[in-house]
Amino acid sequence: EPEVTQTPSHQVTQMGQEVILRCVPISNHLYFYWYRQILGQKVEFLVSFYNNEISEKSEIFDDQFSVERPDGSNFTLKIRSTKLEDSAMYFCATAGLRAGNTIYFGEGSWLTVV
Amino acid sequence: QQQVKQSPQSLIVQKGGISIINCAYENTAFDYFPWYQQFPGKGPALLIAIRPDVSEKKEGRFTISFNKSAKQFSLHIMDSQPGDSATYFCAATRTQGGSEKLVFGKGTKLTVNP
Repeated sequence: EPEVTQTPSHQVTQMGQEVILRCVPISNHLYFYWYRQILGQKVEFLVSFYNNEISEKSEIFDDQFSVERPDGSNFTLKIRSTKLEDSAMYFCATAGLRAGNTIYFGEGSWLTVV
Repeated sequence: QQQVKQSPQSLIVQKGGISIINCAYENTAFDYFPWYQQFPGKGPALLIAIRPDVSEKKEGRFTISFNKSAKQFSLHIMDSQPGDSATYFCAATRTQGGSEKLVFGKGTKLTVNP
């Protein structure tokens, strides 16, 4: 079964440092998402990306966050200046060729800000 | 109006028993309701999903019941097994005219005792 691949699986960073989380979507998928899950809490939507632009973003996705798909394959989430409260599991998710397709999640990148 | 309310928060069931998890939503524009299963340290994995044009969908031991008028849906796990022990999230999304972001419930931690 095709899968969404995320790197790194775990990253520890100093507060104020920049972090880039990477995702390789399922081939031919066109809809890309980032979600996060603070330990023990629900999965929260951050941003959706379609046709090389953000289609929707949540209140969490402030100016410290950015996304891009620089080379047509990887989909990245950048946190410019990390805060302690950014510590969470970040999930990349992708969906297929048309609206209403199943959204597949990666295994997550666990970010710890110290 | 974007919330999905899920209950119970935790559930303990004996092997062979029936596990029932309930969710309620407010946004009538939602038209796709998936359930995700998440094991510790892993990403959410799609278990089963339903659209509001049907009242029930069954896949193996897993059944979704959907009540459009009450804006409620539930997951039933028949003959629950210890391997079903995981956190279950209901979700909802609008697949037409939106970014198709998933709105998740807070999750139910299911423990199936042998």
